[in-house]
Amino acid sequence: GAGVSQSPRYKVAKRGQDVALRCDPISGHVSLFWYQQALGQGPEFLTYFQNEAQLDKSGLPSDRFFAERPEGSVSTLKIQRTQQEDSAVYLCASSPFSGQEAEAFFGQGTRLTVV
Amino acid sequence: GDSVTQMEGPVTLSEEAFLTINCTYTATGYPSLFWYVQYPGEGLQLLLKATKADDKGSNKGFEATYRKETTSFHLEKGSVQVSDSAVYFCALSRSQGAQKLVFGQGTRLTINP
Repeated sequence: GAGVSQSPRYKVAKRGQDVALRCDPISGHVSLFWYQQALGQGPEFLTYFQNEAQLDKSGLPSDRFFAERPEGSVSTLKIQRTQQEDSAVYLCASSPFSGQEAEAFFGQGTRLTVV
Repeated sequence: GDSVTQMEGPVTLSEEAFLTINCTYTATGYPSLFWYVQYPGEGLQLLLKATKADDKGSNKGFEATYRKETTSFHLEKGSVQVSDSAVYFCALSRSQGAQKLVFGQGTRLTINP
């Protein structure tokens, strides 16, 4: 029954290491979003998929960040050559349709710590 | 660009007190407005929403009214409970383009018995 599932829940990476964060959205949900939440702050938008198409990646902070959703279901956020400023909680959300009124269902997030 | 500003926390109240958490926004067009809540150890959950001016969203005793003239969406509850302790986020969704959410910084609420 599922809600949005993210894995791993916690990740510790050494600076310079590559990481991959996984998101399993609710089955059948068209829209998928990635957000970055720094400690004590609100989530900030990273990127948006409608099915397999990445329609907006304006929030990705650098070219070290890459996201994909090849079959319009599971999505992966990859961060190359991690830096300390990448430490944050990465949230995935899905919506059943695209539209400004659509409710976004959030996963519990992956807490990334770069040491 | 679009932005959301909400009152800074933390906010500490006694049980049965009246709650207001202020939220104002800046946006082009006619955004939809949301309040999300994050209980300890859980993910963000939608609490309520309003999609046009003068709409009132309500859920679990919480209410917020979309005020276009003051660009505000303040969250209120008449009598809070210990179980309402959480972090509350005000957010907007733009009316054009990708429907991403723009969040405020969050307000941590603690209710003491």
